[in-house]
Amino acid sequence: GQQVMQIPQYQHVQEGEDFTTYCNSSTTLSNIQWYKQRPGGHPVFLIQLVKSGEVKKQKRLTFQFGEAKKNSSLHITATQTTDVGTYFCAGPVDSSYKLIFGSGTRLLVRP
Amino acid sequence: GAVVSQHPSWVICKSGTSVKIECRSLDFQATTMFWYRQFPKQSLMLMATSNEGSKATYEQGVEKDKFLINHASLTLSTLTVTSAHPEDSSFYICSARDTTNLAGGAYNEQFFGPGTRLTVL
Repeated sequence: GQQVMQIPQYQHVQEGEDFTTYCNSSTTLSNIQWYKQRPGGHPVFLIQLVKSGEVKKQKRLTFQFGEAKKNSSLHITATQTTDVGTYFCAGPVDSSYKLIFGSGTRLLVRP
Repeated sequence: GAVVSQHPSWVICKSGTSVKIECRSLDFQATTMFWYRQFPKQSLMLMATSNEGSKATYEQGVEKDKFLINHASLTLSTLTVTSAHPEDSSFYICSARDTTNLAGGAYNEQFFGPGTRLTVL
């Protein structure tokens, strides 16, 4: 069945260092979404990418959608303690509005 | 953005009892809501799609007789865990799409409720 994997599973960085999480889908996606879940909280939508090769930026966060629309990445420049949480990518199941979530990357930031 | 609430935020119950969790869209109408389950340090697993006015559709491996879903109005979906057992202990989260996009979000964006932490003793 359709699978969405993320690497790494965990990342522990020093505040100020950069961070990247990679998302890989077994199937081509019409769009990819990124969510952030703080410890004890619920997922919060960050962004959606639709076009092949699309790159979007939100302050220190840079999101990229691969040319083949099967992979994506999230890069955080100069991490801050407020970046702590688990970052999930998610893509639609087939052509539906259902989402399949990636395995997630948990980011820990040492102050 | 659109707001989704869940009630209760946490519940502890004895094995064999049933627990009802409510999911409400507060400022938009949701013809479709989704129910997820999340075990500690794991990803979200979609359990079922709740459709207003019709039967829910369940993902493979999810027992529909155990996890009863009712979507009686455009703003409310309920998940009832029947005859709960300790292995049902988990974080249950609902989400909804704002199909009218009145909240101005991205198309396909799902708004998540705060979740319900269920502990079955």
